[in-house]
Amino acid sequence: GAVVSQHPSRVICKSGTSVKIECRSLDFQATTMFWYRQFPKQSLMLMATSNEGSKATYEQGVEKDKFLINHASLTLSTLTVTSAHPEDSSFYICSARDLRGASGELFFGEGSRLTVL
Amino acid sequence: AQRVTQPEKLLSVFKGAPVELKCNYSYSGSPELFWYVQYSRQRLQLLLRHISRESIKGFTADLNKGETSFHLKKPFAQEEDSAMYYCALSGGSNYKLTFGKGTLLTVNP
Repeated sequence: GAVVSQHPSRVICKSGTSVKIECRSLDFQATTMFWYRQFPKQSLMLMATSNEGSKATYEQGVEKDKFLINHASLTLSTLTVTSAHPEDSSFYICSARDLRGASGELFFGEGSRLTVL
Repeated sequence: AQRVTQPEKLLSVFKGAPVELKCNYSYSGSPELFWYVQYSRQRLQLLLRHISRESIKGFTADLNKGETSFHLKKPFAQEEDSAMYYCALSGGSNYKLTFGKGTLLTVNP
């Protein structure tokens, strides 16, 4: 299957700093990527839909100025957590849809664990 | 609004026993339902989708629109089936998924 890669897999930062997480589709182009957040022992919560060449679409309750999403190319979307605080500590997962096949299956990255001190 | 409910957080069965992971959904239109699996220390991956109507690793799931359910079943569980299972719903063509809270399946020897 297709491969979606996230970097970094783990990041620790100080409160008040900004952190960028990358999501890449390695062997296919993705016009749309999705960013999820997962709290411990809880489900994945969709944060936003990242659209190549246009603004991201944020879910209700997600601060767009806090979580900046840029989808500058067909293989890369970035999530920047600005002025991070301890409550932003979480597991962030991206996914991308491979349209080459008939199923248009979604493939997930391995996730990025953010810890804000 | 889309909603997916997985009533069981934990499910434990013995090897060879049948297993059923429950999933109910709420959606006003025609949904597309999925089961995703996450094995220990691995990423989330698609197990099966209702439109495929196929069996993957011995698992099947039938969409019951009357009961708004999409339960995952396997007649004989194996130890390697131990994982976290998420039911998910997509209500549109943009593939935006709504996930249930997941069920941790443990298959004991």
